[in-house]
Amino acid sequence: EDKVVQSPLSLVVHEGDTVTLNCSYEVTNFRSLLWYKQEKKAPTFLFMLTSSGIEKKSGRLSSILDKKELFSILNITATQTGDSAVYLCAVEASYSVHGANNLFFGTGTRLTVIP
Amino acid sequence: EAQVTQNPRYLITVTGKKLTVTCSQNMNHEYMSWYRQDPGLGLRQIYYSMNVEVTDKGDVPEGYKVSRKEKRNFPLILESPSPNQTSLYFCASSFIPGTGELFFGEGSRLTVL
Repeated sequence: EDKVVQSPLSLVVHEGDTVTLNCSYEVTNFRSLLWYKQEKKAPTFLFMLTSSGIEKKSGRLSSILDKKELFSILNITATQTGDSAVYLCAVEASYSVHGANNLFFGTGTRLTVIP
Repeated sequence: EAQVTQNPRYLITVTGKKLTVTCSQNMNHEYMSWYRQDPGLGLRQIYYSMNVEVTDKGDVPEGYKVSRKEKRNFPLILESPSPNQTSLYFCASSFIPGTGELFFGEGSRLTVL
């Protein structure tokens, strides 16, 4: 059965701390792994990773994928209160006869950054 | 402004009363999809549409219908809602079918009594 597991489920840190969020997966026909940030409303896209060992970076956020060990991490350095959100990991897999990929989401990590 | 618009945003209804949640995108995206989000279960795909000619079931299609008569709109229909369909629903779209770089709507919180 395809699954995506995120850890920890929740995390509380102080401003300025560095955090690492984890995502492991068991998916056949893997295409890519994606990270989303969900504040009170809709998830917003952060990163898409397809190759092992290549870090994607955007400001204080960075992510890397290990396709051998089937996991990804999302790092946030110098955290700010605005980073408080649920971070979702999703894995894209090719199953559909129409060419669309299925997207399997983890349940998310809730990050709270205290001033 | 590029966006995915869902309506209604909040709805309380009763078992068996048919309802439709509309979804419209203004980005000329080919691919559209519906998800439901429940505590402890994450986002699960209900239906998706590759283009106006192709729609297909996702992981949890039971109790739902969709239509894609025009490119920009992808309504979700609950013919006979039941309490287990109480959930937060998201519509999403992307330009390239099969990519996970989705643009999500703001969500529709549905309660079925």
